[in-house]
Amino acid sequence: DADVTQTPRNRITKTGKRIMLECSQTKGHDRMYWYRQDPGLGLRLIYYSFDVKDINKGEISDGYSVSRQAQAKFSLSLESAIPNQTALYFCATSLAGGLSYNEQFFGPGTRLTVL
Amino acid sequence: TQLLEQSPQFLSIQEGENLTVYCNSSSVFSSLQWYRQEPGEGPVLLVTVVTGGEVKKLKRLTFQFGDARKDSSLHITAAQPGDTGLYLCAGANSGGSNYKLTFGKGTLLTVNP
Repeated sequence: DADVTQTPRNRITKTGKRIMLECSQTKGHDRMYWYRQDPGLGLRLIYYSFDVKDINKGEISDGYSVSRQAQAKFSLSLESAIPNQTALYFCATSLAGGLSYNEQFFGPGTRLTVL
Repeated sequence: TQLLEQSPQFLSIQEGENLTVYCNSSSVFSSLQWYRQEPGEGPVLLVTVVTGGEVKKLKRLTFQFGDARKDSSLHITAAQPGDTGLYLCAGANSGGSNYKLTFGKGTLLTVNP
């Protein structure tokens, strides 16, 4: 089945370390997204990309960067991790085009803990 | 800033009961989606409603989009333990900002056997 995969699934790191979370998809979708989920705050958009040459900031991009290496790959980096970046991180994809309602297909998530 | 308010935030019921969760906004959306998220997994799309007043059914789940396209409800009949999860609504816009979904904070449903 076409899918969205994320690696790693769990990561514990220390303050100040550089961390990369990776996302791959076999759905053939052009649009990819990174969200974080915190209890009581819901899903918040970090970055999104409409194609390999198009990267855009979401509502909470400070402290994060992304790279769209190919249509199928979108990685999220924390250059210098801090404890308040402890959260559940999701990658998602969606179809582009006039008939799309931007329905999103999520990966299984990465649980990141920054000590 | 568009907001989607979901209520209740938490709901714990017994197997066989009926329930309704609500998703409300002061903004108009071109479409509204419902997702269910189980522990340790990402959200999974259940349904998209597009037309004001639209009703869609998915087995025991009934979804309704308000006439003004500002609100939606999810009704579950005869809830089962397998319905346990976090239910998220998300509104989409048309036109230039249609990249973005506005998510509610979710309703955490627990169905006890």
